[in-house]
Amino acid sequence: EADIYQTPRYLVIGTGKKITLECSQTMGHDKMYWYQQDPGMELHLIHYSYGVNSTEKGDLSSESTVSRIRTEHFPLTLESARPSHTSQYLCASSDRKQGVPDTQYFGPGTRLTVL
Amino acid sequence: GENVEQHPSTLSVQEGDSAVIKCTYSDSASNYFPWYKQELGKRPQLIIDIRSNVGEKKDQRIAVTLNKTAKHFSLHITETQPEDSAVYFCAATPHYKLSFGAGTTVTVRA
Repeated sequence: EADIYQTPRYLVIGTGKKITLECSQTMGHDKMYWYQQDPGMELHLIHYSYGVNSTEKGDLSSESTVSRIRTEHFPLTLESARPSHTSQYLCASSDRKQGVPDTQYFGPGTRLTVL
Repeated sequence: GENVEQHPSTLSVQEGDSAVIKCTYSDSASNYFPWYKQELGKRPQLIIDIRSNVGEKKDQRIAVTLNKTAKHFSLHITETQPEDSAVYFCAATPHYKLSFGAGTTVTVRA
């Protein structure tokens, strides 16, 4: 079934650790996004990609980095986790058809806690 | 860039009543306006969207209206039910990047 997958779903980690949040989609979409969201609060775009080897920073400054080596895979890495990184991270993807924006679909999210 | 404002931030309605959430946007080039519903602990799910070439769209108990001149769009939920309780987000975009409103927490009282 076409979907967006994120792993891990929950992560508790100590300060200073390097972590990678995985996101994969089988939607066949070319565009992918990472959002940071505190529970029930506003969605903040932190990174996006229009295709392979394309990555851009979003509207909210983030210490994380991303890569897009394969169309279906868009991992997010924190080199040194801090308590201020505690949040939920949502991955999304979309496609463009006939020149108009298409729907963004979201993954289930990763709930990150940094102690 | 696009700036989306959403009101109210919280909304409590009696079951069976209607709920209305309003959003305004700043970029006149925006042409796609989706609405997402996010239940507690779940991912945002698209519930309805509208493109700039139409003024209104309806899907069962949910409708969205768009006023491009005034740059605002609204979500209408009729005959509310307890399962409508969630956070609702509006968004707008002229290209691909969505700009989201801050969200409205809707509580349907039984």
